[in-house]
Amino acid sequence: SAVISQKPSRDICQRGTSLTIQCQVDSQVTMMFWYRQQPGQSLTLIATANQGSEATYESGFVIDKFPISRPNLTFSTLTVSNMSPEDSSIYLCSGGAGVGDTQYFGPGTRLTVL
Amino acid sequence: DQQVKQNSPSLSVQEGRISILNCDYTNSMFDYFLWYKKYPAEGPTFLISISSIKDKNEDGRFTVFLNKSAKHLSLHIVPSQPGDSAVYFCAASGGSGGSYIPTFGRGTSLIVHP
Repeated sequence: SAVISQKPSRDICQRGTSLTIQCQVDSQVTMMFWYRQQPGQSLTLIATANQGSEATYESGFVIDKFPISRPNLTFSTLTVSNMSPEDSSIYLCSGGAGVGDTQYFGPGTRLTVL
Repeated sequence: DQQVKQNSPSLSVQEGRISILNCDYTNSMFDYFLWYKKYPAEGPTFLISISSIKDKNEDGRFTVFLNKSAKHLSLHIVPSQPGDSAVYFCAASGGSGGSYIPTFGRGTSLIVHP
């Protein structure tokens, strides 16, 4: 299994600003992902974080709004850019060893945009 | 269009009784199914999984049943304990030709009363 930490755990931000969320895994994982969970909704995949290259975004999510970095196998960042109240959500990082492997999740970052 | 559906947003059960959480899916490419448990302020944690080649998988008090013809799976918790109170997410992923990244349902909030 993998232990995944995220920071910050929560933040309250002003409209129009940006927030970068960090995700650290205690062991090397092949796959890292970023999810969003809006109130009453399922976990929605934002993108797959690829080491050393551009992330792979799901439909409805774009790099300009959610730039992602993954400089090595154990660390990734997600930036929520030019925030609006609609971006208020829990953002979760996850990691897994490979195709079909169980994913392990970080504790999440609760973001509130005023 | 939700491919994984958990139609009961909440379930209340007495301690010691059976909890049955249901999940339906629409994508016939799904061949691996997982259940995650999520406590408040924590990320989802993996609970149990089942491959489409099986119709039952048991781990202690937790059993997952899969009915492929009905595209339905259920999680049974016997006996239920107050510590089981959490949100349970059903997730599904596809095999060859499908995506290995799981698609999540919206979750069912289980409350186990002492």
